[in-house]
Amino acid sequence: QVQLVQSGAEVKKPGASVRVSCKTSGYTFIGNFMNWVRQAPGQGLEWMGNIHPGTGGTYYAQKFQGRVTMTRDTSISTAYMELNRLTSDDTAVYYCASDIAGQQLHSWGQGTLVTVSS
Amino acid sequence: DIVMTQSPLSLPVTPGEPAAMSCRSSQSLLYTNGYNYVDWYLQKPGNPPQLLIYLASTRASGVADRFSGSASGTNFTLKISRVEAEDVGVYYCMQGLQNPRTFGQGTKVEI
Repeated sequence: QVQLVQSGAEVKKPGASVRVSCKTSGYTFIGNFMNWVRQAPGQGLEWMGNIHPGTGGTYYAQKFQGRVTMTRDTSISTAYMELNRLTSDDTAVYYCASDIAGQQLHSWGQGTLVTVSS
Repeated sequence: DIVMTQSPLSLPVTPGEPAAMSCRSSQSLLYTNGYNYVDWYLQKPGNPPQLLIYLASTRASGVADRFSGSASGTNFTLKISRVEAEDVGVYYCMQGLQNPRTFGQGTKVEI
């Protein structure tokens, strides 16, 4: 079955960077967009952008442009999201979510809590 | 960016009774293939969201048939024919017609 397994929780200081990984299995990784969505404590869902693992092409929401980088390693079916220049406003749970068979955000990772605190 | 506006933001429900919630988009989500690119997700407490409905009215695999979605212009509705206790959580609509994809604020369903 489809599985998306994310890396563990992170605690970072303001100004630092964080990289979250998302290891996939059970579907064709290179054929489906991988999206990144975050959720601040007690808040709603915010789409950050996506990457097409087959081409490496990316789209970043304007809010995150210049600060986020989405990459992938097709040899191990894993996607990555790196966010730089962290502030306390970046404290959130970060989810990877894959489009599959034309169904957007069909499958989700378990989430990775990133806490930014001095 | 396309704005998605959900209502109500809080929805008290009674098990066994029907429930409905709405999502309005700031522009048409109808693609040339005839489909509306709106999805509905349920986020149960402490869990990631799960896909319920895609393309406005198609249930995702494994989703109970008490859930249904419909569209009328830029208005989209999610209905639960008979609420069950396990249906509590926050329901989000999302438009996937154009980047950036955007979510509604969410409708919190409580018993």
